Amino acid sequence: DAMVIQNPRYQVTQFGKPVTLSCSQTLNHNVMYWYQQKSSQAPKLLFHYYDKDFNNEADTPDNFQSRRPNTSFCFLDIRSPGLGDAAMYLCATSRDLGGPQHFGDGTRLSIL
Amino acid sequence: TQLLEQSPQFLSIQEGENLTVYCNSSSVFSSLQWYRQEPGEGPVLLVTVVTGGEVKKLKRLTFQFGDARKDSSLHITAAQPGDTGLYLCAGATGSEKLVFGKGTKLTVNP
Repeated sequence: DAMVIQNPRYQVTQFGKPVTLSCSQTLNHNVMYWYQQKSSQAPKLLFHYYDKDFNNEADTPDNFQSRRPNTSFCFLDIRSPGLGDAAMYLCATSRDLGGPQHFGDGTRLSIL
Repeated sequence: TQLLEQSPQFLSIQEGENLTVYCNSSSVFSSLQWYRQEPGEGPVLLVTVVTGGEVKKLKRLTFQFGDARKDSSLHITAAQPGDTGLYLCAGATGSEKLVFGKGTKLTVNP
């Protein structure tokens, strides 16, 4: 049974058109993460939530925002997608910071 | 800033060969995790090592944590095409978030 679910699996949007990616978890983990991954590279952490506390990475562009309305759900909002934002976006959870992470299967975002 | 240097970055071998992937740092980690990511999927945790000198085996995969807890290796014996994927090491320092290596893209040719 999938424990970290990302929707949609594939998303196509237009240059500059806002898009929202979603992630849900059934693990009741405290921490939820969003990563950006480009072809054959390691995932790059954008931000994470520890419970309701939001933690942004220093080099994450302002164009990327996140919301965590409850324990189970977390959203990634890209306000004005550029061509360089085309990538796989991975959501992950862990019980605590530093603990093993459980990843979803990702959303592949394409920008037209 | 803690860094994990992972090598090699790319590895293409024939079925049946052995291989080793290395993960090195100047920092001490409380634990180190290895993940495998297959194309089109998210990374999946393979193992966590926590004790210096620890060796864990997962079928044909052998994971070792260095005595000083600064480095780790993954050895695959008799690689199979199903082992193809991106292998990621990630280090944890207590209550801090994980630090990921850049990954090793392994291709095992039949």
